[in-house]
Amino acid sequence: DSGVTQTPKHLITATGQRVTLRCSPRSGDLSVYWYQQSLDQGLQFLIQYYNGEERAKGNILERFSAQQFPDLHSELNLSSLELGDSALYFCASSSSAGTNEKLFFGSGTQLSVL
Amino acid sequence: AQSVAQPEDQVNVAEGNPLTVKCTYSVSGNPYLFWYVQYPNRGLQFLLKYITGDNLVKGSYGFEAEFNKSQTSFHLKKPSALVSDSALYFCAVGKNTGFQKLVFGTGTRLLVSP
Repeated sequence: DSGVTQTPKHLITATGQRVTLRCSPRSGDLSVYWYQQSLDQGLQFLIQYYNGEERAKGNILERFSAQQFPDLHSELNLSSLELGDSALYFCASSSSAGTNEKLFFGSGTQLSVL
Repeated sequence: AQSVAQPEDQVNVAEGNPLTVKCTYSVSGNPYLFWYVQYPNRGLQFLLKYITGDNLVKGSYGFEAEFNKSQTSFHLKKPSALVSDSALYFCAVGKNTGFQKLVFGTGTRLLVSP
């Protein structure tokens, strides 16, 4: 068990809808990362938060947004969903903001857009 | 921009034989290099990392990787493969300057046959 909790594990929704994915980082970790894993794109970095502030941004669509709350949990909001958004979304956490620390990954949220 | 290439989609090896999973990277400045493993229906798990120092890095489950700066490679190796090593392996690169994010390769599926 990595100590990173993601909910829900599975999410089935329709095109045009909005969903929220939740992540609780490992105890004591200040950094939260969101990644999208799909068969054709591999593992894509979306966004990183450190202690409540956005730290780094990757290939995140404008329809997607995220935030990290004072208790350090994070939410990834996906809106106007399209079929192509179907993927496995991972949250990861680490103790620092830099990229020299190992990441602890949650088990992911499998999103299916029908 | 940082990038990682894992040239093999799949590597097949017989149990007891040595295995190598290849990774090459591109980054300006000094790289941070990682290997992660993903088992079915699980999040990624950290195996090992290279930050600085000895080019041969030892990690979990008997795996090791060799950093080769001239060839910009960080191949994952194990002297004797186990069936239980069958999984999806990801190489990742980060850096200590500029825009910090960890970029993952597309993954290599390792299949160890009995």
